[in-house]
Amino acid sequence: GQQLNQSPQSMFIQEGEDVSMNCTSSSIFNTWLWYKQDPGEGPVLLIALYKAGELTSNGRLTAQFGITRKDSFLNISASIPSDVGIYFCAGQGFTGRRALTFGSGTRLQVQP
Amino acid sequence: EAQVTQNPRYLITVTGKKLTVTCSQNMNHEYMSWYRQDPGLGLRQIYYSMNVEVTDKGDVPEGYKVSRKEKRNFPLILESPSPNQTSLYFCASSLGQGVSNQPQHFGDGTRLSIL
Repeated sequence: GQQLNQSPQSMFIQEGEDVSMNCTSSSIFNTWLWYKQDPGEGPVLLIALYKAGELTSNGRLTAQFGITRKDSFLNISASIPSDVGIYFCAGQGFTGRRALTFGSGTRLQVQP
Repeated sequence: EAQVTQNPRYLITVTGKKLTVTCSQNMNHEYMSWYRQDPGLGLRQIYYSMNVEVTDKGDVPEGYKVSRKEKRNFPLILESPSPNQTSLYFCASSLGQGVSNQPQHFGDGTRLSIL
């Protein structure tokens, strides 16, 4: 199956810094989703985007659905130690199968 | 609490010994799905179900079976497990009919090791 191009692969930042990561695809998606996965747990939904151009916030997190429907970004402002984890983007297609195509993940480490 | 529950969380077994991983959700979701997560490959869909008695193949269905006899349960069956099925498995569910783009919610995962 297709994978999304997610970057960067990993980030090591200082507490309080802002973080930005993005995903691009050669295919158009109906929905873009951002998940966070902690060790030993399943992905937890952070933000869901349903319309091209949509900008949505969830606390310190902001994500946008690209105009072309082929990309999305996630920003985290004023990072804190509990932001540590792996962040995945996922695109959901138009068909009934509704399979999620996942990016390879961005591993975030935050230095207190 | 709304959740997707998988069992077992960890299993080490041998090639050829049939096993079942259970998945149950308490949110009355129509749509359920199984994914496997492998390093460098991300999460890939194995099978999905749009509703009771309606199942279909995902991207990597070979070697797996599923059933959907009840709305809340969606077990994953490995009839004759092989080492290449060693992986981390996730069950997910979401609202179905009439809400085609509702996000999927994931269980905590099942780590299978096939020796």
